[in-house]
Amino acid sequence: QSALTQPASVSGSPGQSITISCTGTSSDVGGYNYVSWYQQHPGKAPKLMIYDVSNRPSGVSNRFSGSKSGNTASLTISGLQAEDEADYYCSSYTTSSTPYVFGTGTKVTVL
Amino acid sequence: EVQLVESGGGLVQPGGSLRLSCAASGFTVSSNYMSWVRQAPGKGLEWVSVIYSGGSTYYADSVKGRFTISRDNSKNTLYLQMNSLRAEDTAVYYCARDLSGSGSYNFDLWGRGTLVTVSS
Repeated sequence: QSALTQPASVSGSPGQSITISCTGTSSDVGGYNYVSWYQQHPGKAPKLMIYDVSNRPSGVSNRFSGSKSGNTASLTISGLQAEDEADYYCSSYTTSSTPYVFGTGTKVTVL
Repeated sequence: EVQLVESGGGLVQPGGSLRLSCAASGFTVSSNYMSWVRQAPGKGLEWVSVIYSGGSTYYADSVKGRFTISRDNSKNTLYLQMNSLRAEDTAVYYCARDLSGSGSYNFDLWGRGTLVTVSS
């Protein structure tokens, strides 16, 4: 199972909005709404930010939003803040030989 | 408090074995889909294995036949038995809980991780 494709890096200035893409196939992202997004700061465990494409867990800022179109899911961070600087990973259910697949990861830099 | 605490990592020689543990508190391991996810130094997340609440297990192709996931309901603990270890298995290993007991394929709870280093 190949990893889902994400841009290696995305940057923005404080207050701006950025979008991270996550591209898969009809066997994963495009076929199911089991897409999630995780934030990971250096040396820390990942944290669930978005689940089932567009749902936010309790406690996650509403500056984070998710969507999907075809085989590509997206995470948008609005009103970018310094604390948003981290690595972000998407994940999806897949009908390949294994039920889970992660994205390649995106480093978000706040300029 | 709801949490996961991994242990059992360390330095092991190529070809060796190691068993990781993940002690859960605040919820019941056997009622949830539980996974192991690893992250090699400076690399991304890689899903390793899952045990469903019903007991079915699945593995990444990279570890199939070498790793075994299991749980001890009496201890509320998840395990990962790793055999025939290779240098490329070097990583921080996290245990993670699925958001839903019936499987939502979203990980809502993660442990802090335990480092496994395979080197001679």
